[in-house]
Amino acid sequence: EAQVTQNPRYLITVTGKKLTVTCSQNMNHEYMSWYRQDPGLGLRQIYYSMNVEVTDKGDVPEGYKVSRKEKRNFPLILESPSPNQTSLYFCASSGNTDTQYFGPGTRLTVL
Amino acid sequence: GENVEQHPSTLSVQEGDSAVIKCTYSDSASNYFPWYKQELGKRPQLIIDIRSNVGEKKDQRIAVTLNKTAKHFSLHITETQPEDSAVYFCAATLFTGFQKLVFGTGTRLLVSP
Repeated sequence: EAQVTQNPRYLITVTGKKLTVTCSQNMNHEYMSWYRQDPGLGLRQIYYSMNVEVTDKGDVPEGYKVSRKEKRNFPLILESPSPNQTSLYFCASSGNTDTQYFGPGTRLTVL
Repeated sequence: GENVEQHPSTLSVQEGDSAVIKCTYSDSASNYFPWYKQELGKRPQLIIDIRSNVGEKKDQRIAVTLNKTAKHFSLHITETQPEDSAVYFCAATLFTGFQKLVFGTGTRLLVSP
């Protein structure tokens, strides 16, 4: 089954404790992206990747890192999480067509 | 960069009525306009999209219209059903091989039986 998976789905952590949210897709898509969703603000792009080892900042990249060492994986790294990074995070991928396929989301709470 | 505004933020209709959600965009170069539906606790899913070379597109009960001159596009849902209740997001981008989508802030649609 073609899909985008994210782990963990829920995470509660404390300020400053490094964490990684994984994202994987099995559709051989070149393009992957991370978004955060906050009430009243919609979906905002954090980082995106056009292929292996090619990444670029989106609209809200501060406090986040990404890597794209393999085509299928695009982890989101928070080196020192802060409470303002409490949010719902979505990974998405797309191929040569226009459609972006979203993962199930990761709800992160930073205390 | 691109900026997308979406209205209304909430919309309540009776089952069977029509619903219209409107978006405006700022970058006249944008050429791809998708609409996503997000049910409660679920991921956003594409429901319809339109390119700048088309003025209208329909898929059963949903349609999207695009006015390039005014830089606005709209989602129309006819004969609404309770299962249409969800948050709807519009987005815009200049499609250059990768979508750097800019989303609107969402419209919560509630369809009452």
